[in-house]
Amino acid sequence: GAVVSQHPSWVICKSGTSVKIECRSLDFQATTMFWYRQFPKQSLMLMATSNEGSKATYEQGVEKDKFLINHASLTLSTLTVTSAHPEDSSFYICSARDPLTESTDTQYFGPGTRLTVL
Amino acid sequence: GNSVTQMEGPVTLSEEAFLTINCTYTATGYPSLFWYVQYPGEGLQLLLKATKADDKGSNKGFEATYRKETTSFHLEKGSVQVSDSAVYFCALSLWTGNQFYFGTGTSLTVIP
Repeated sequence: GAVVSQHPSWVICKSGTSVKIECRSLDFQATTMFWYRQFPKQSLMLMATSNEGSKATYEQGVEKDKFLINHASLTLSTLTVTSAHPEDSSFYICSARDPLTESTDTQYFGPGTRLTVL
Repeated sequence: GNSVTQMEGPVTLSEEAFLTINCTYTATGYPSLFWYVQYPGEGLQLLLKATKADDKGSNKGFEATYRKETTSFHLEKGSVQVSDSAVYFCALSLWTGNQFYFGTGTSLTVIP
């Protein structure tokens, strides 16, 4: 099946710094990728929809200036957490849809990135 | 609106016991329904799915049937194993938006 990777798998940073997380579709081209945030023992919350070649669509309550999303190619989307603070510590997960598969509603999820802000 | 309500956990079962995790949904359109599994330290993996009413998704001994009349998609397995210990998420997706709506997850622990 389709594979989505994320890098890094975990990162620790100081408060006030910026962190970039990469999401790649390894064996398919994804015009649309999604970024989720998962708090401990809670469900995934959609943060934004990343569209290749255009601006991301953010969910209500998500600060677009804080969580910068860039989808520069059909296989790569990046999420940059700017001026990170301890409350930004979380598990960030991306997913991608393979438009060429028979079931276009299926999404493939990356393994997630654990961000800890000190 | 669109939402998924999932049985709260945690659930602890003995090996070979029968498993049911309840999931109900509300949707503004005609959703596809999914069960995802998250093993400790790993990302989400698709377990099974159903795209229309009365469809049954199945994989690795797990089954779930899309029940439109009860708006449900309960996950079942006849005999659980220790290796099934994980967090299970019910989710729906609408064709029009590609967005996934997840339940809160149910943690399952299977003891020998």
